[in-house]
Order: sequence, then C-alpha cells, then structure tokens
Amino acid sequence: DTAVSQTPKYLVTQMGNDKSIKCEQNLGHDTMYWYKQDSKKFLKIMFSYNNKELIINETVPNRFSPKSPDKAHLNLHINSLELGDSAVYFCASSLRMGLAKNTDTQYFGPGTRLTVL
Amino acid sequence: DAKTTQPPSMDCAEGRAANLPCNHSTISGNEYVYWYRQIHSQGPQYIIHGLKNNETNEMASLIITEDRKSSTLILPHATLRDTAVYYCIVRAPRNFNAGNMLTFGGGTRLMVKP
Repeated sequence: DTAVSQTPKYLVTQMGNDKSIKCEQNLGHDTMYWYKQDSKKFLKIMFSYNNKELIINETVPNRFSPKSPDKAHLNLHINSLELGDSAVYFCASSLRMGLAKNTDTQYFGPGTRLTVL
Repeated sequence: DAKTTQPPSMDCAEGRAANLPCNHSTISGNEYVYWYRQIHSQGPQYIIHGLKNNETNEMASLIITEDRKSSTLILPHATLRDTAVYYCIVRAPRNFNAGNMLTFGGGTRLMVKP
C-alpha cells in the first residue's frame, strides 16, 4: 500500500512550458508539503498546506502554485518552466500538530525528477 | 530550530553497528531530535526521534547525552540496504498554524561495505 504517491516519476520538458506534478496520500493526514532537492542534494521546503489552506510559502516564485482540491491531494503546478527548476520534487504529509502533541513524523513520496531542457 | 553538525561521510562494515553522531549544542529545552534517512533515488524516511530519554524502535536506537548537546543514532547490525544519507534535525513542536516543515542540512553519507 503506497502511503504517499506522486505522478509522474520523471518529467522532461522544454523551457517555457507549464507542467503539473500530482501528489496523493492515503494516510488520513491533513498537512501536506512540497520540498525541492537540487543538484547539490539539499532538500528545501517549498510549501506547507494544512487542511487545504496554505501555511508556508518559502520564498518560492509565484510561477509555482500548489493546489489542494482536498486533504488527500496537493498538486504542484509550475508555469513558464526555467532551467533552474530542474530538480527532484518531493511531496510529504503529516498529522496536524498541536502544541500538546508531538506527532510530527513526515512521510515522503518517491519524488518526481523534473528536467527542463 | 537549533543548528546541527554531522560528519559528511562514514563507512561501516556490514553486520557491525553503525554509530552516527550529531552535535546540537544550541538545542532548546522543548526541541526534539529527529533522524531521517534518504536512500539513493528515494524520498526521505523517518527513523526515530527523542527529547531527553534514549529511544529504540525496530530500525534504530537514539542515544541523547544528558546535557542534550549531542546525540548518536545507532543501527545495531548495518546491512548494505542501510547505505544512505542520514539527517539529524532538531526542532520544537509547532502550532499547526506555524507549519511543520523540516529543515534538512547536509547529513552524513553512510556507506555500508561488505
């Protein structure tokens, strides 16, 4: 049973195109995330969504627009793709966290390798 | 979140214990120590976390020093499949409105050798 799934696994496209990456989790979590891992292998948070509401946008260009149709899905749409967008994108999810509870384990998807030519 | 320092790489013989150190000298009282790993071409995987006491689960043990300024992740019997980058992350519980993102450093690249 796949907990966090992403499609596609590989995405090769030309500069200037618009593309989407889909993410689904079947864990019943209500917080989802997008991370970017660049060629130097550093993982950085891009967005955090809690119950379909954007919580964090870590200085990501507005060409990137996350869309959450429901709690189980957080898709990433990218407009006008640039060479520097080439990276591996990871979706993750976790339970909503309250101050009194530490259930902060995040579950990651397998990643989508985006190559912009 | 407190900064962590890890050696960039380590080797371990298959079947032996792998001990991965992490320094977090500026850790605050309410910050937890988390360990994740990333096997090549896969997403990061949660391993274990702790606050003060040592913790053990089916994957690993976490030893936190009494002053909490450092910790060690122990893989008791390393296998070739444990070859991965291991990340030590220190962070406090967050109110859900603040977001729960993880801040990854460079990690330790563990190579388990036959």
